[in-house]
Amino acid sequence: DAKTTQPNSMESNEEEPVHLPCNHSTISGTDYIHWYRQLPSQGPEYVIHGLTSNVNNRMASLAIAEDRKSSTLILHRATLRDAAVYYCILRSPYNTDKLIFGTGTRLQVFP
Amino acid sequence: ETGVTQTPRHLVMGMTNKKSLKCEQHLGHNAMYWYKQSAKKPLELMFVYSLEERVENNSVPSRFSPECPNSSHLFLHLHTLQPEDSALYLCASSQGLITDDEQFFGPGTRLTVL
Repeated sequence: DAKTTQPNSMESNEEEPVHLPCNHSTISGTDYIHWYRQLPSQGPEYVIHGLTSNVNNRMASLAIAEDRKSSTLILHRATLRDAAVYYCILRSPYNTDKLIFGTGTRLQVFP
Repeated sequence: ETGVTQTPRHLVMGMTNKKSLKCEQHLGHNAMYWYKQSAKKPLELMFVYSLEERVENNSVPSRFSPECPNSSHLFLHLHTLQPEDSALYLCASSQGLITDDEQFFGPGTRLTVL
């Protein structure tokens, strides 16, 4: 399974944009990039996913590098509720049942 | 609320006890999952069921026994556990097993084995 690398932690101030990076240099051409987050005392929740093109939804944006070896999750205006551990996960169509979680990035948001 | 509920939310058991964790999804999904989250370790996939058939058993010890009687319910039967099995056990569901399907997680059961 292809691996992802994320910083252990990041900090942001409320209402500022946050860019959460993820490196996945061994990604294959068919791997999807998924992001989940886990708020304190809760199960993970889906944030966004993409394959090649940048993606936007109500929660965040996903910017995917042209060579697909890295991606960035963008929270446009961080709120205190966005404080969580963010996981970048590669999902293969040949191994579709598996979400393989790494250690993620712990995001702290300060008022 | 994610549409996936888990009971109990907290469980303390001795090593000789037998207990069961229950998961129910109200989303009409066809796939369900058990994950284990130990302190300071990434989430680990334990079991995957699709249309009530087990499709993944991720080298989990036999003291953990899953059961999926229908597509809405998933159980994890526990017996003769060890203290190192103390963890947060998370249930999830998805529409199917294709790459686009997002997984919806329950709040988890915090298990302590004495």
